[in-house]
Amino acid sequence: DARVTQTPRHKVTEMGQEVTMRCQPILGHNTVFWYRQTMMQGLELLAYFRNRAPLDDSGMPKDRFSAEMPDATLATLKIQPSEPRDSAVYFCASGHTRDRGAEQYFGPGTRLTVT
Amino acid sequence: GENVEQHPSTLSVQEGDSAVIKCTYSDSASNYFPWYKQELGKGPQLIIDIRSNVGEKKDQRIAVTLNKTAKHFSLHITETQPEDSAVYFCAASLLARFAGGTSYGKLTFGQGTILTVHP
Repeated sequence: DARVTQTPRHKVTEMGQEVTMRCQPILGHNTVFWYRQTMMQGLELLAYFRNRAPLDDSGMPKDRFSAEMPDATLATLKIQPSEPRDSAVYFCASGHTRDRGAEQYFGPGTRLTVT
Repeated sequence: GENVEQHPSTLSVQEGDSAVIKCTYSDSASNYFPWYKQELGKGPQLIIDIRSNVGEKKDQRIAVTLNKTAKHFSLHITETQPEDSAVYFCAASLLARFAGGTSYGKLTFGQGTILTVHP
């Protein structure tokens, strides 16, 4: 049963600390997306990778957020330093450009609380 | 950029009734419209999608209609069941073809509809 996995599932940290979220896309998928979900803003795209290259990170605050794909099986989203307004659920999704349907498969999310 | 409006924000129906959720989009170039279902504590799950060259698509109890002229699309769920209770999101995107496949456009999501199906 192929699925996107994310770690950790929950993270509580203090303001100013570094936070790293990890995502393992479905094996063989070549696109990875990072989304943030809050009650106020809904689902927002933060970054999009294709074949491990960042294609769009316009939704990401550049001064504190960074996203990378060290290899095809791992995507990371880092916040440094974290702030209370970063509290949200962060989702990773993956897909493949060969799929005509362009489906994005979401992971279970990382719930981040910054105090 | 694209803007997607979704209505209603909450919807309560009796089991067996139909439910309809509507979305409007602003960018006439958008050509891909997926619907996602999100259950508590889980990530969104794609339930159905439609492309701009099709006016309607059905999958068992779920159907989606698209009116390109009016720039709106709707999700229809018939014979609702308690397990249909969840948050539903519409989205719009521009997909482009390239030699190696399909290029994902940015998905712009609606604000979501909380559907409650009462037994």
